[in-house]
Amino acid sequence: QKEVEQNSGPLSVPEGAIASLNCTYSDRGSQSFFWYRQYSGKSPELIMFIYSNGDKEDGRFTAQLNKASQYVSLLIRDSQPSDSATYLCAVRRYQKVTFGTGTKLQVIP
Amino acid sequence: EAQVTQNPRYLITVTGKKLTVTCSQNMNHEYMSWYRQDPGLGLRQIYYSMNVEVTDKGDVPEGYKVSRKEKRNFPLILESPSPNQTSLYFCASSPGQGKIHEQFFGPGTRLTVL
Repeated sequence: QKEVEQNSGPLSVPEGAIASLNCTYSDRGSQSFFWYRQYSGKSPELIMFIYSNGDKEDGRFTAQLNKASQYVSLLIRDSQPSDSATYLCAVRRYQKVTFGTGTKLQVIP
Repeated sequence: EAQVTQNPRYLITVTGKKLTVTCSQNMNHEYMSWYRQDPGLGLRQIYYSMNVEVTDKGDVPEGYKVSRKEKRNFPLILESPSPNQTSLYFCASSPGQGKIHEQFFGPGTRLTVL
Protein backbone atom coordinates (compact mmCIF):
# COMPACT_ATOMS: atom_id res chain seq x y z
CA GLN A 1 0.00 0.00 0.00
CA LYS A 2 1.35 3.40 -0.95
CA GLU A 3 1.79 5.87 1.87
CA VAL A 4 -0.11 8.56 -0.01
CA GLU A 5 -2.55 7.60 -2.74
CA GLN A 6 -4.16 9.74 -5.38
CA ASN A 7 -6.10 8.93 -8.52
CA SER A 8 -3.82 9.89 -11.41
CA GLY A 9 -6.70 11.18 -13.54
CA PRO A 10 -7.06 13.06 -15.71
CA LEU A 11 -10.00 14.66 -13.99
CA SER A 12 -11.88 16.76 -16.52
CA VAL A 13 -14.29 19.47 -15.38
CA PRO A 14 -16.00 22.25 -17.33
CA GLU A 15 -15.00 25.84 -16.66
CA GLY A 16 -16.93 27.26 -13.72
CA ALA A 17 -17.57 23.87 -12.10
CA ILE A 18 -16.22 22.54 -8.80
CA ALA A 19 -13.22 20.25 -9.08
CA SER A 20 -12.84 17.71 -6.29
CA LEU A 21 -9.44 16.10 -5.74
CA ASN A 22 -8.95 13.30 -3.25
CA CYS A 23 -6.08 11.75 -1.35
CA THR A 24 -5.75 8.98 1.22
CA TYR A 25 -2.78 8.27 3.46
CA SER A 26 -1.71 5.23 5.42
CA ASP A 27 0.28 6.62 8.35
CA ARG A 28 -2.04 7.51 11.24
CA GLY A 29 0.83 9.44 12.80
CA SER A 30 0.82 11.97 9.96
CA GLN A 31 0.73 15.44 11.41
CA SER A 32 0.00 17.85 8.60
CA PHE A 33 -1.26 17.75 5.06
CA PHE A 34 -0.58 19.85 2.01
CA TRP A 35 -1.65 20.42 -1.55
CA TYR A 36 0.84 21.48 -4.16
CA ARG A 37 0.11 22.48 -7.75
CA GLN A 38 2.53 21.61 -10.52
CA TYR A 39 2.17 22.97 -14.02
CA SER A 40 3.67 20.92 -16.82
CA GLY A 41 7.43 21.39 -16.91
CA LYS A 42 7.47 23.49 -13.77
CA SER A 43 8.27 22.93 -10.12
CA PRO A 44 5.60 22.30 -7.46
CA GLU A 45 4.15 25.26 -5.56
CA LEU A 46 2.28 25.11 -2.26
CA ILE A 47 -1.37 26.15 -2.44
CA MET A 48 -2.95 24.86 0.78
CA PHE A 49 -2.07 23.19 4.05
CA ILE A 50 -4.26 21.84 6.83
CA TYR A 51 -3.52 20.41 10.26
CA SER A 52 -6.89 19.84 11.91
CA ASN A 53 -10.00 17.92 11.02
CA GLY A 54 -12.54 19.93 9.10
CA ASP A 55 -12.40 22.47 6.32
CA LYS A 56 -9.98 25.26 5.54
CA GLU A 57 -10.85 27.81 2.91
CA ASP A 58 -8.58 30.13 0.95
CA GLY A 59 -10.21 31.97 -1.91
CA ARG A 60 -11.51 29.44 -4.41
CA PHE A 61 -9.72 26.58 -2.67
CA THR A 62 -11.01 24.49 0.23
CA ALA A 63 -8.98 21.75 1.87
CA GLN A 64 -10.82 19.10 3.86
CA LEU A 65 -9.28 16.70 6.36
CA ASN A 66 -10.78 13.63 8.00
CA LYS A 67 -8.15 11.96 10.16
CA ALA A 68 -10.42 9.10 11.20
CA SER A 69 -10.86 8.12 7.55
CA GLN A 70 -7.27 9.15 6.67
CA TYR A 71 -8.64 11.26 3.87
CA VAL A 72 -7.71 14.68 2.53
CA SER A 73 -9.43 16.51 -0.29
CA LEU A 74 -9.10 19.73 -2.22
CA LEU A 75 -12.08 21.51 -3.72
CA ILE A 76 -11.58 24.15 -6.38
CA ARG A 77 -14.64 26.31 -6.94
CA ASP A 78 -15.32 28.17 -10.16
CA SER A 79 -12.61 26.19 -11.94
CA GLN A 80 -10.64 28.11 -14.55
CA PRO A 81 -8.56 26.83 -17.48
CA SER A 82 -5.53 28.24 -15.61
CA ASP A 83 -6.22 25.66 -12.87
CA SER A 84 -5.28 22.90 -15.31
CA ALA A 85 -2.26 21.27 -13.68
CA THR A 86 -1.23 18.26 -11.64
CA TYR A 87 -2.18 18.49 -7.96
CA LEU A 88 0.10 16.76 -5.48
CA CYS A 89 -1.06 15.71 -2.05
CA ALA A 90 1.66 15.56 0.62
CA VAL A 91 1.75 14.52 4.26
CA ARG A 92 4.29 15.29 6.95
CA ARG A 93 5.37 13.26 9.92
CA TYR A 94 8.05 15.08 11.91
CA GLN A 95 10.66 16.15 9.35
CA LYS A 96 9.69 13.72 6.61
CA VAL A 97 7.37 14.77 3.82
CA THR A 98 5.78 12.15 1.55
CA PHE A 99 4.06 13.04 -1.71
CA GLY A 100 1.39 11.26 -3.66
CA THR A 101 1.82 10.73 -7.38
CA GLY A 102 -0.58 13.54 -8.22
CA THR A 103 -3.91 14.00 -9.98
CA LYS A 104 -3.97 15.71 -13.35
CA LEU A 105 -6.80 18.23 -13.61
CA GLN A 106 -8.09 19.49 -16.94
CA VAL A 107 -10.51 22.41 -16.95
CA ILE A 108 -12.38 22.52 -20.24
CA PRO A 109 -13.29 26.04 -21.49
CA GLU B 1 14.27 37.94 -5.24
CA ALA B 2 13.66 34.99 -2.93
CA GLN B 3 14.57 31.83 -4.75
CA VAL B 4 16.06 28.37 -4.81
CA THR B 5 18.58 27.86 -7.57
CA GLN B 6 19.87 24.58 -8.97
CA ASN B 7 22.72 23.90 -11.33
CA PRO B 8 22.96 22.47 -13.83
CA ARG B 9 19.40 22.50 -15.17
CA TYR B 10 20.14 19.71 -17.64
CA LEU B 11 22.86 17.10 -17.53
CA ILE B 12 23.68 14.07 -19.64
CA THR B 13 26.43 11.87 -18.26
CA VAL B 14 27.71 8.31 -18.38
CA THR B 15 27.57 5.52 -15.85
CA GLY B 16 30.12 5.83 -13.09
CA LYS B 17 31.17 9.44 -13.65
CA LYS B 18 30.83 11.32 -10.37
CA LEU B 19 28.64 14.40 -10.48
CA THR B 20 27.32 17.09 -8.17
CA VAL B 21 24.09 19.04 -8.50
CA THR B 22 24.23 22.26 -6.57
CA CYS B 23 21.35 23.85 -4.68
CA SER B 24 21.36 27.26 -3.09
CA GLN B 25 18.67 29.33 -1.35
CA ASN B 26 18.74 32.99 -0.35
CA MET B 27 15.89 32.95 2.19
CA ASN B 28 17.89 31.91 5.26
CA HIS B 29 15.83 28.73 5.44
CA GLU B 30 16.78 26.03 7.90
CA TYR B 31 15.18 23.05 6.17
CA MET B 32 16.38 21.83 2.78
CA SER B 33 15.49 18.71 0.89
CA TRP B 34 16.16 16.82 -2.31
CA TYR B 35 13.50 14.97 -4.29
CA ARG B 36 13.43 12.97 -7.46
CA GLN B 37 10.36 12.84 -9.65
CA ASP B 38 9.63 9.90 -11.91
CA PRO B 39 6.51 9.13 -13.99
CA GLY B 40 4.07 7.03 -12.01
CA LEU B 41 6.15 7.29 -8.83
CA GLY B 42 5.71 10.96 -8.04
CA LEU B 43 8.05 13.00 -5.89
CA ARG B 44 10.21 10.93 -3.60
CA GLN B 45 12.40 12.41 -0.91
CA ILE B 46 16.08 11.51 -1.17
CA TYR B 47 17.65 13.39 1.74
CA TYR B 48 16.72 16.28 3.95
CA SER B 49 18.53 18.61 6.31
CA MET B 50 17.13 20.39 9.32
CA ASN B 51 20.12 22.70 9.62
CA VAL B 52 23.86 22.99 9.06
CA GLU B 53 25.64 19.66 9.59
CA VAL B 54 22.31 17.89 10.21
CA THR B 55 21.18 15.58 7.41
CA ASP B 56 18.93 12.54 7.31
CA LYS B 57 17.78 9.95 4.82
CA GLY B 58 14.49 10.22 3.02
CA ASP B 59 12.72 7.40 1.23
CA VAL B 60 15.23 6.73 -1.56
CA PRO B 61 18.76 7.64 -0.36
CA GLU B 62 20.67 4.78 -1.99
CA GLY B 63 23.30 5.99 -4.44
CA TYR B 64 23.22 9.59 -3.23
CA LYS B 65 25.17 11.72 -0.78
CA VAL B 66 24.55 15.18 0.54
CA SER B 67 26.32 17.71 2.71
CA ARG B 68 25.22 20.84 4.55
CA LYS B 69 28.29 22.85 5.42
CA GLU B 70 26.58 26.20 4.97
CA LYS B 71 22.98 27.11 5.61
CA ARG B 72 22.33 28.29 2.08
CA ASN B 73 23.82 25.34 0.15
CA PHE B 74 22.77 21.71 -0.05
CA PRO B 75 24.57 19.87 -2.87
CA LEU B 76 23.48 16.44 -4.09
CA ILE B 77 26.33 14.10 -4.97
CA LEU B 78 26.14 11.01 -7.14
CA GLU B 79 29.43 9.20 -6.61
CA SER B 80 28.83 6.54 -9.28
CA PRO B 81 25.70 7.35 -11.26
CA SER B 82 23.70 4.54 -12.83
CA PRO B 83 20.95 4.62 -15.47
CA ASN B 84 18.26 4.08 -12.81
CA GLN B 85 19.17 7.50 -11.44
CA THR B 86 17.94 9.14 -14.63
CA SER B 87 15.25 11.43 -13.30
CA LEU B 88 14.05 14.98 -12.66
CA TYR B 89 15.56 16.29 -9.42
CA PHE B 90 14.15 19.07 -7.28
CA CYS B 91 15.75 20.87 -4.39
CA ALA B 92 13.44 22.58 -1.90
CA SER B 93 13.81 24.76 1.17
CA SER B 94 11.50 25.92 3.93
CA PRO B 95 11.76 28.00 7.10
CA GLY B 96 11.99 24.90 9.28
CA GLN B 97 10.39 24.12 12.63
CA GLY B 98 6.62 24.44 12.36
CA LYS B 99 6.89 25.54 8.73
CA ILE B 100 8.49 22.57 7.03
CA HIS B 101 5.45 22.42 4.78
CA GLU B 102 6.16 25.84 3.24
CA GLN B 103 8.59 24.38 0.79
CA PHE B 104 9.91 26.51 -2.04
CA PHE B 105 11.11 24.36 -4.91
CA GLY B 106 13.96 25.02 -7.27
CA PRO B 107 13.43 24.84 -11.05
CA GLY B 108 14.58 21.23 -11.31
CA THR B 109 17.55 19.41 -12.82
CA ARG B 110 16.89 16.87 -15.53
CA LEU B 111 19.58 14.18 -15.32
CA THR B 112 20.17 11.48 -17.89
CA VAL B 113 22.67 8.72 -17.13
CA LEU B 114 23.69 6.67 -20.16
